[in-house]
Amino acid sequence: SAVISQKPSRDICQRGTSLTIQCQVDSQVTMMFWYRQQPGQSLTLIATANQGSEATYESGFVIDKFPISRPNLTFSTLTVSNMSPEDSSIYLCSVGVQGGNTEAFFGQGTRLTVV
Amino acid sequence: GQNIDQPTEMTATEGAIVQINCTYQTSGFNGLFWYQQHAGEAPTFLSYNVLDGLEEKGRFSSFLSRSKGYSYLLLKELQMKDSASYLCAVGDTGGFKTIFGAGTRLFVKA
Repeated sequence: SAVISQKPSRDICQRGTSLTIQCQVDSQVTMMFWYRQQPGQSLTLIATANQGSEATYESGFVIDKFPISRPNLTFSTLTVSNMSPEDSSIYLCSVGVQGGNTEAFFGQGTRLTVV
Repeated sequence: GQNIDQPTEMTATEGAIVQINCTYQTSGFNGLFWYQQHAGEAPTFLSYNVLDGLEEKGRFSSFLSRSKGYSYLLLKELQMKDSASYLCAVGDTGGFKTIFGAGTRLFVKA
């Protein structure tokens, strides 16, 4: 298993500003992912955070808007840049732990409101 | 492409049994997951199936048929605290990503 600490847990931000979300894992993990969950909807994968190389973004998400860092095997950040009210959402860090299965573990999430 | 379908909402009575179905069509398959998510909280893992058949874990059971692209989550002896969203998700073979369905909101009434 893995314990994930994600912060901040919530924030209210002005439009046009940027917010960086941190994700710290208590053990080294191969896979780290960032998801967005808009109100009343399911999780949408933003990108896979790759250690030592650029993140792999899903369709509809770009690096300029959601830059991601992964300096080591236990830490990643997601920045939501030039925010607009449409970015109001919950952002979740997830890690995949290989073993008997590839269960995904989630951080507590960051509830972002852009005003 | 990726397509995971599950009912939007279900209502059941405390003490009863409810089955939440999920059908999927994905480019890769590395197992099927069910997660529970209470409002305002992160998803928590319930079950994982990679082979056909039924996996039982306490009050919760999960079934998989790979040939039919079908799974269900069975909840027995429903309790009020089971009111939550239940997310069906498929593991992608490529980068170990997990693709989520839209979720089923379950309401348990007294």
